[in-house]
Amino acid sequence: KAGVTQTPRYLIKTRGQQVTLSCSPISGHRSVSWYQQTPGQGLQFLFEYFSETQRNKGNFPGRFSGRQFSNSRSEMNVSTLELGDSALYLCASSLGRGSYNEQFFGPGTRLTVL
Amino acid sequence: GDSVTQMEGPVTLSEEAFLTINCTYTATGYPSLFWYVQYPGEGLQLLLKATKADDKGSNKGFEATYRKETTSFHLEKGSVQVSDSAVYFCALSDLNNNDMRFGAGTRLTVKP
Repeated sequence: KAGVTQTPRYLIKTRGQQVTLSCSPISGHRSVSWYQQTPGQGLQFLFEYFSETQRNKGNFPGRFSGRQFSNSRSEMNVSTLELGDSALYLCASSLGRGSYNEQFFGPGTRLTVL
Repeated sequence: GDSVTQMEGPVTLSEEAFLTINCTYTATGYPSLFWYVQYPGEGLQLLLKATKADDKGSNKGFEATYRKETTSFHLEKGSVQVSDSAVYFCALSDLNNNDMRFGAGTRLTVKP
């Protein structure tokens, strides 16, 4: 069974631009969560999608948004990029919601903002 | 809100040494507790988990026990190997959602 895939793996953007990251969950998984990993702040929860609906959102500004499609694939978008948005963005999928469902992480997309 | 405090390290050990990485948590409810491992250039992999007090999670020689009285979930391994070199994250999540809170991570280096 294929794991969680994220595209692209690496991305370089400049301040003010916007970016869209993609996550394809494991087949059959309906929940997708996004995390931001930085050296200073560590791993922080961005949002969670289940059945095409955002179920939970972390403490990030409105520039960070996402969506989930009917096939459970998810995208996250960051508008008006800032230098501080440089990070590894991780996506995780699980069968369902709640801590009894193991979250499987993708390799991440490394975003560099210049 | 819920949070995790983890020994940051880095930790450097010789092969076959005993490993302990401390993790304590703050939570209003009854969270599940996890240890994840991240190898260079890869995403996170679940190492072990425990869903209620006194549960012991174990995998690949690693163990951690959910201690409600001390709000702790310390990771231990009796004899580390060079291949265990990685970053280890302690985490918690609520029973009903996927909002996982992570510790800062502990970088472990095992030397032959």
